[in-house]
Amino acid sequence: GDSVTQMEGPVTLSEEAFLTINCTYTATGYPSLFWYVQYPGEGLQLLLKATKADDKGSNKGFEATYRKETTSFHLEKGSVQVSDSAVYFCALSPYNNNDMRFGAGTRLTVKP
Amino acid sequence: DVKVTQSSRYLVKRTGEKVFLECVQDMDHENMFWYRQDPGLGLRLIYFSYDVKMKEKGDIPEGYSVSREKKERFSLILESASTNQTSMYLCASIFGAGSHEQYFGPGTRLTVT
Repeated sequence: GDSVTQMEGPVTLSEEAFLTINCTYTATGYPSLFWYVQYPGEGLQLLLKATKADDKGSNKGFEATYRKETTSFHLEKGSVQVSDSAVYFCALSPYNNNDMRFGAGTRLTVKP
Repeated sequence: DVKVTQSSRYLVKRTGEKVFLECVQDMDHENMFWYRQDPGLGLRLIYFSYDVKMKEKGDIPEGYSVSREKKERFSLILESASTNQTSMYLCASIFGAGSHEQYFGPGTRLTVT
């Protein structure tokens, strides 16, 4: 079935470092792809999404590009801040379906 | 803004107790979901509902049941809590079919002793 694999954490970076969190997927058809973020003590909230191949989702300085040829949706940010410390989840939703498949999550800690 | 609320942020129950977790959304969403979140496993779908009184099993329904008597409210029930049900429980909702984002509640951290 459809699934998402993301890099294991935890990831620890210094402030202003470059961030990449890898995410690959397996799906039939053309799923939509998402990155969710979970700040300490909170539920998940949508960070960005892409609904078709070559789309780039972006928000708060984070970006991810839907790469059908490599079945990937890697999350990047050029300069992380302490406030970006959180758990990041990659997810997919099959076309025209409410089902959502989540990766295991990657904990990011940014140190000053 | 869509708001999804959960009845408790933290809950401690004893083995064998019946446990109710409540979720309410205020945006007239048709679809609601219950997940559990465990370290290294991400989110796993327990049950979902696409309409009042309708429910579908997710990936890990064993030991759980659900109730949806009103559109805005979706309850998760642990008939007889066990220690392996200690987890973070997250409720989510979405408007309709299609590849839309899910809106999440803050979560309930349940400890079963």
